[in-house]
Amino acid sequence: DGGITQSPKYLFRKEGQNVTLSCEQNLNHDAMYWYRQDPGQGLRLIYYSQIVNDFQKGDIAEGYSVSREKKESFPLTVTSAQKNPTAFYLCASSTRDTTYEQYFGPGTRLTVT
Amino acid sequence: GQNIDQPTEMTATEGAIVQINCTYQTSGFNGLFWYQQHAGEAPTFLSYNVLDGLEEKGRFSSFLSRSKGYSYLLLKELQMKDSASYLCAVRDDLRGANNLFFGTGTRLTVIP
Repeated sequence: DGGITQSPKYLFRKEGQNVTLSCEQNLNHDAMYWYRQDPGQGLRLIYYSQIVNDFQKGDIAEGYSVSREKKESFPLTVTSAQKNPTAFYLCASSTRDTTYEQYFGPGTRLTVT
Repeated sequence: GQNIDQPTEMTATEGAIVQINCTYQTSGFNGLFWYQQHAGEAPTFLSYNVLDGLEEKGRFSSFLSRSKGYSYLLLKELQMKDSASYLCAVRDDLRGANNLFFGTGTRLTVIP
């Protein structure tokens, strides 16, 4: 079955630690995205990548980093510089055809204490 | 910049019809999407509009007026499983190809 996987579903970390969230897709999509969702707020774009070995900052990139070494994978690292890292993180992918929707993974809920 | 407004919460009765409105302001508008999101789960695609008019898909329909910066999602024959958040998102070419800007979502509660 084609789709997007994110693991783990729940992640707990101590303040000051970096943590990497995984995102893998087998939909053969060129573009991939990372969003953050907080209660009462819409999805906010962190980083996006239109093609392998290239990525761009979204609206709230500070304190995050990404890589895109393979088409299928777009991991997100939440660094210790991110002031409020506790959130629900969603990964998405799409074709580069702008008439098609983004497909979302199941999300990772990160809690930092 | 971009701005999207949708009601925060709505309640409707099972079997009824509900309309969820979305107004937007954006410079490079190139399409509007509606997603459904159950609590703690991934958003799932419902509809896409880029031209004015109504798109119908089963119990769900979506309408767009580009000149008014307005869209609505119409849900007919409501079922309990339709209780979810409904996210309005616009594609703005000025944000980069295929990037979406999301509203805060409308939480719909369906009651018996």
